[in-house]
Amino acid sequence: DAGVIQSPRHEVTEMGQEVTLRCKPISGHNSLFWYRQTMMRGLELLIYFNNNVPIDDSGMPEDRFSAKMPNASFSTLKIQPSEPRDSAVYFCASSLAGGLHQPQHFGDGTRLSIL
Amino acid sequence: AQKITQTQPGMFVQEKEAVTLDCTYDTSDQSYGLFWYKQPSSGEMIFLIYQGSYDEQNATEGRYSLNFQKARKSANLVISASQLGDSAMYFCAMRERGFQKLVFGTGTRLLVSP
Repeated sequence: DAGVIQSPRHEVTEMGQEVTLRCKPISGHNSLFWYRQTMMRGLELLIYFNNNVPIDDSGMPEDRFSAKMPNASFSTLKIQPSEPRDSAVYFCASSLAGGLHQPQHFGDGTRLSIL
Repeated sequence: AQKITQTQPGMFVQEKEAVTLDCTYDTSDQSYGLFWYKQPSSGEMIFLIYQGSYDEQNATEGRYSLNFQKARKSANLVISASQLGDSAMYFCAMRERGFQKLVFGTGTRLLVSP
């Protein structure tokens, strides 16, 4: 079975540019999460969706960040304009909603470097 | 508020030995779940094992087991018969009832030597 698929795996761009990260969750999963991992702050939740609806975006750092989930099989995280401090690994994860026992399954991550 | 503490930044173990990675948590909820993830140097996050707060038995998955001590609010991961491929970062995480977000600890880096 295909896991969570993220693209691109690596992204290097100059500050001020728009960055779009993409995620395809596991088929049948109805919850989708975007996390960011940095050395300073560890793993932190940015936003999550249930049934394509954003539920909690309190972790989104600022208005430069936006996320969408237009359908059950696709989500994007956009940064515009990007800044060097946005450099991090961004993970997408998906799970079945309901039940504490449901694990979140992570994609391989996108390693983002803003120069 | 949820909080996960992993006090061991690094652990060393020889191949074929067992190792325990510590995790303590703080929550005021009675219903919660605890998870362990492995992050190899390649970067992906791999789910290893789950323990529910109402589970009476400690969780086991192959060589992984969870030493769950509810009164002490600890959920230590035990890896038996370590292998070189176990070298990685290990993260403990918690989720409370009614919330879907996972709160992660800072991780423990495990190095298995031959």
